[in-house]
Amino acid sequence: QVQLQESGPGLVKPSQTLSLTCTVSGGSIRFGSYYWTWIRQPAGKGLEWIGHIYTSGSTNYNPSLKSRVTISADTSKNQFSLNLSSVTAADTAVYYCARGNGNFYYMDVWGKGTTVTVSS
Amino acid sequence: EIVLTQSPGTLSLSPGERATLSCRASQSVSSRYLVWYQQKPGQAPRLLIYGASNRVTGIPDRFSGSGSGTDFTLTINRLEPEDFAVYYCQQYGSSPLTFGGGTKVEIK
Repeated sequence: QVQLQESGPGLVKPSQTLSLTCTVSGGSIRFGSYYWTWIRQPAGKGLEWIGHIYTSGSTNYNPSLKSRVTISADTSKNQFSLNLSSVTAADTAVYYCARGNGNFYYMDVWGKGTTVTVSS
Repeated sequence: EIVLTQSPGTLSLSPGERATLSCRASQSVSSRYLVWYQQKPGQAPRLLIYGASNRVTGIPDRFSGSGSGTDFTLTINRLEPEDFAVYYCQQYGSSPLTFGGGTKVEIK
């Protein structure tokens, strides 16, 4: 059974880079047809897709964040990561990693989420 | 970008009643890429329906999805206490992937 777990600092200063890692257990990120995805949710608000990295290594980002986002994968550690640069208070949210199905693009496995606060 | 508008924003119903949730797209979405999730407070979203009408294994059959083009519906028959939550639709027929704003189903 595949499980995902987010990790990273809970507090980031404005203008710095937010860095999170998602560790995948119970399956390999190298195999299958999956989009390894980051999604965020500000407190009390809806879900926002940040972007994903496909099994092949190709990436796709939300245009609203594209200039600040990098998603990468470390297959040796079975992890994928999110870097979001030049953060502001508007980036304060719960950040989720999820597995996206490559055929129907539904996200069937989610991490529990990690809260990141941007504040000095 | 395809904008998904969910209505109503809040649905107040009693256990045993039927909930009908709407998800309207700003342009046509392939049914193949229309998804519904349920989210409870403090939890990650849970996949319910994919391909507009395909219920995920383990999801009770009181949940059903329908629709095509720009209009999609999630129906919950005979609401159970555990069904009171926020529901989101999502599309990825066109990049970027987008979510609707959510419908909260609350106990009346």
